[in-house]
Amino acid sequence: GQSLEQPSEVTAVEGAIVQINCTYQTSGFYGLSWYQQHDGGAPTFLSYNALDGLEETGRFSSFLSRSDSYGYLLLQELQMKDSASYFCAVTQGSNTGKLIFGQGTTLQVKP
Amino acid sequence: GAVVSQHPSRVICKSGTSVKIECRSLDFQATTMFWYRQFPKQSLMLMATSNEGSKATYEQGVEKDKFLINHASLTLSTLTVTSAHPEDSSFYICSANKEKRGRKNIQYFGAGTRLSVL
Repeated sequence: GQSLEQPSEVTAVEGAIVQINCTYQTSGFYGLSWYQQHDGGAPTFLSYNALDGLEETGRFSSFLSRSDSYGYLLLQELQMKDSASYFCAVTQGSNTGKLIFGQGTTLQVKP
Repeated sequence: GAVVSQHPSRVICKSGTSVKIECRSLDFQATTMFWYRQFPKQSLMLMATSNEGSKATYEQGVEKDKFLINHASLTLSTLTVTSAHPEDSSFYICSANKEKRGRKNIQYFGAGTRLSVL
């Protein structure tokens, strides 16, 4: 079967750093993506890793270890607006192929 | 601005009617689009891959006669929920790949369509 595991909920305070982990077991792997989704909204692309290592985009960074089938999303300098659901997703089929999503992590940022 | 446009954003219909949802790629061509379904507090479930000029590829367990997909042009895919029933009520989201900074696999999502079947 195919599975992506990520924590269901994470709570942190404003200004803090939080890491959301994702482990995956899928048939076929081209890369790991991260998406943010606010209640009632559409998923928004955050970051993508095809190769091992760290990708940094502003306050958000993402890491991938293909040998460990593991990745994480790092959010720094947390703001209240970062409260949302965060999904990791594996690309299958090809470099422009379909995404298989994890169950999502609900991040609550407190003042 | 929006990269993928989805319409309508919300629809309420009676049981037994059909509902069409449109997904358009803005200022780029998308030979492949994807349709997802999301229940409250749950993840996105891939329903099908929409291929321009050919038949859609459906995921296991998704009824192709229930969810008709047409990808008639390089910028438009439509999903029609036929003979809708209350259990079809859900949030439907489309996506398309657009290359950004040499990276091919960035999927951009439409705003979603919230379907309520009475």
